[in-house]
Amino acid sequence: QVQLQESGPGLVKPSQTLSLTCTVSGGSISSGGHYWSWIRQHPGKGLEWIAYIYDTGSTSYNPSLKSRVSLSIDTSKNQVSLTLSSVTAADTAVYFCARVVHLGDYPDVWGQGTKVTVSS
Amino acid sequence: DIQMTQSPSSLSASVGDRVTITCRASQSIRTYLNWYQQKPGKAPHLLIYTASNLQSGVPSRFGGSGSGTDFTLTISSLQPEDFATYYCQQSYSTPYTFGQGTKLEI
Repeated sequence: QVQLQESGPGLVKPSQTLSLTCTVSGGSISSGGHYWSWIRQHPGKGLEWIAYIYDTGSTSYNPSLKSRVSLSIDTSKNQVSLTLSSVTAADTAVYFCARVVHLGDYPDVWGQGTKVTVSS
Repeated sequence: DIQMTQSPSSLSASVGDRVTITCRASQSIRTYLNWYQQKPGKAPHLLIYTASNLQSGVPSRFGGSGSGTDFTLTISSLQPEDFATYYCQQSYSTPYTFGQGTKLEI
């Protein structure tokens, strides 16, 4: 059974770059039929799709974050990484990684999420 | 961006009740609509994909319907573990967007 685990710093200073990693276990990140997405949830709020990446490295970003966000994939380590630059308090959120089923484009497996606070 | 609007924002119900949550898209999304359940401190859990398909392992009391712009999630007989927040999400076009959520309370 595929499991996803997010990791990264819980606290980031304003203007710095946030880096998070999603490690996939129980299956290959290149198994086909899936791609990988990051989604965040601001405190007490709804869900916001950030970006996705295929195992080929092809990406798509939310235009609201496109100038600051970048995804990468390391198939040898079964990991997907997110970097978000020039963070502000508005980037404080729980960040989830998710596996997306290509046929239908729906996230079917989610990580538990990692809480990130932006504060000096 | 496609805007997703859920109603109601909150709902009070009792165990055994039949409950319906609606989701409206700002333009046609065909059947690219998914439903999630989220409990406090947990990740969202997929219930229904492409409008009406029950995700494996999800109880059959959950059902989805709709196409185009109007969709519904129905819980046929509420169980205690169903009290949570429910989100719809469109996967028709990027950026994928979510509804604001419906909090289902006792």
